[in-house]
Amino acid sequence: DVQLVESGGGLVQPGGSLRLSCAASGFAFNQHWIHWVRQVPGKGLEWVSRIDSDASSAVYADSVKGRFTISRDNAKNTAYLQMNNLRVEDMALYYCGREECSGINCFIDHWGQGTRVTVSS
Amino acid sequence: EIVLTQSPGTLSVSPGERVTLSCRASQSINSNLAWYQHKPGQSPRLLIHGASTRATGIPARFSGSGSGTEFTLTISSLESEDFAVYYCQQNLNWPLFGGGTKVESK
Repeated sequence: DVQLVESGGGLVQPGGSLRLSCAASGFAFNQHWIHWVRQVPGKGLEWVSRIDSDASSAVYADSVKGRFTISRDNAKNTAYLQMNNLRVEDMALYYCGREECSGINCFIDHWGQGTRVTVSS
Repeated sequence: EIVLTQSPGTLSVSPGERVTLSCRASQSINSNLAWYQHKPGQSPRLLIHGASTRATGIPARFSGSGSGTEFTLTISSLESEDFAVYYCQQNLNWPLFGGGTKVESK
């Protein structure tokens, strides 16, 4: 079975850093793009970042550009989200997801359970 | 930047009713649209991709239609387990979600 397990969330002060991990199993990790998506409490889903299968390309939402860095280690079947200079507005439940494509249509077909990030002094 | 607008924001319905959710894109995204169901305490669940293709294991009461800028998710006969928030998402350039429609019990 496809599994994605996030970890690394926690409490951090504004301006601090955290690194989230997304451990994958049950599929060929090195053949899939990986996304990070977050949900601020009481709000909707917000896409954060995406990395392609060999880590040659990464894209970020404007809200995190310059502060967050997505990466992956295909040997460890793990993706990461390094979050620096965290703000109160970054406080959310962070999900990682696997991208699948059917022709030119791509979508997130499997999601992890999420890891919670709290930013507070 | 492509913006997805979902309507209505909230829908109050009873089990057995037909439910129609709308997603409008600010410019054409062809059929590059997915729908997700999200329940509290759970991960989002892919329902529809390519605007109209049901994902694996999704019941036939869920259907998607549309192309270009206008899309619809229909639940033919709502079951109690379908109360949730539904999101559309486009992936033409990079992924963006609509604001969501909450389907709640009347």
